[in-house]
Parts: sequence; structure tokens; C-alpha cells
Amino acid sequence: GQNIDQPTEMTATEGAIVQINCTYQTSGFNGLFWYQQHAGEAPTFLSYNVLDGLEEKGRFSSFLSRSKGYSYLLLKELQMKDSASYLCAAIDSNYQLIWGAGTKLIIKP
Amino acid sequence: ETGVTQTPRHLVMGMTNKKSLKCEQHLGHNAMYWYKQSAKKPLELMFVYSLEERVENNSVPSRFSPECPNSSHLFLHLHTLQPEDSALYLCASSQTSGETYNEQFFGPGTRLTVL
Repeated sequence: GQNIDQPTEMTATEGAIVQINCTYQTSGFNGLFWYQQHAGEAPTFLSYNVLDGLEEKGRFSSFLSRSKGYSYLLLKELQMKDSASYLCAAIDSNYQLIWGAGTKLIIKP
Repeated sequence: ETGVTQTPRHLVMGMTNKKSLKCEQHLGHNAMYWYKQSAKKPLELMFVYSLEERVENNSVPSRFSPECPNSSHLFLHLHTLQPEDSALYLCASSQTSGETYNEQFFGPGTRLTVL
């Protein structure tokens, strides 16, 4: 079956760096998304990776290794507003999105 | 209005009620989606409409009935729901073209409680 694994919850300190990992098993692969979802709000797009390597976007970066079925989202200089759930989703060979359950990130002062 | 809007934001209904959720996208996209989001579970894709035609129905119970009258509007009609249907229902839209997969834009969701 198809599956996305990511930690359920993580805690980090304001100003620090945190890495949220995501592993995927899909029938074929056509890219991977990261979304941010604040409590009670809509998920919002953060990044898309289809080639191996690191994509940097301000304080957020996303990494992909297709051979390892692995991605991570790196958040630097953490701010309290980064407290949210982070959703990983992979695109399979039929262009269907396979979603993870999300990682709840708690930022402490 | 911009982006993707959903109404109502909150809905409480009994198991014998009939209600409808509404979604509207103002992005000019050609595909719209309904998702169910339950606590600590992955997003569950319920229905996909591309160019106003339903292209996917992931074995969703018939008590959920979608309607897409045009590319900007999407409805989810609900009847005789069960308590386990209580969840956040998210609508999303995207622009699809051939094999290019663009990100989905989500609405704020409808928090549904079935008593």
C-alpha cells in the first residue's frame, strides 16, 4: 500500500532550528509537497520538490532524496507563529496526492 | 472575496437532518476537491471535479453527495449522517494541465458535528 510517515508531534525553542522528516512509499513518484496548517485554519502551500536536493525559501527549506523515499522540512530562526501542523504529501504515478497525518510543531519561548 | 471560501464555518446537525456545504473559488482554477480531515489522521480525499466533471469518488458513502454546477462552485450535500462523520471538511482548488501538478489552495473548512 501507499504510505506517508511523519512524526506526530515535535517541540522546539524560539530562535532555534527544527527538522521535520517525512518518508514515503508510493507507486511511482511525481513530487512532494509540504503544507502548513495553523489550528482552525486552511492548509497553506510551503514547498514542492520533484528533483533531489534542497530548495530554500527564506527561513524554510525543503529537501528531497528520491532514492531514499525521504524528505525533510527545515525551519530556521523559529518564531512563535511557526507553531502549526506541517503536512507532507507525495504525488504517485496516477497523479494522486498521498497525505501524511501531519506533524504538530510546538514552539516554546 | 479572494482565494477559496467555504460556508458555513461551523455546522451542528442531527442524524436525520439534510444540509449542504458550499465552496467557492475565486482563482480561476479548473479543478476542485472535497477532503475530510479527522484528528491525527491524513487528509482523506472524497471527491475531485476537473472541468466540472467528477473524476474520482473514493468509495465515499452515499450519504455524501457532491455537486459542481460550474468551475467556481462546489457543494457537498449531507443526509442521514453518522456521528463518525464529524470532522473538518476542506475544499480545495487547483489548476491542472496535462501532467503538470500544481499546488492546491484550500478553504478554511467547515467544522461538522453530527449529534
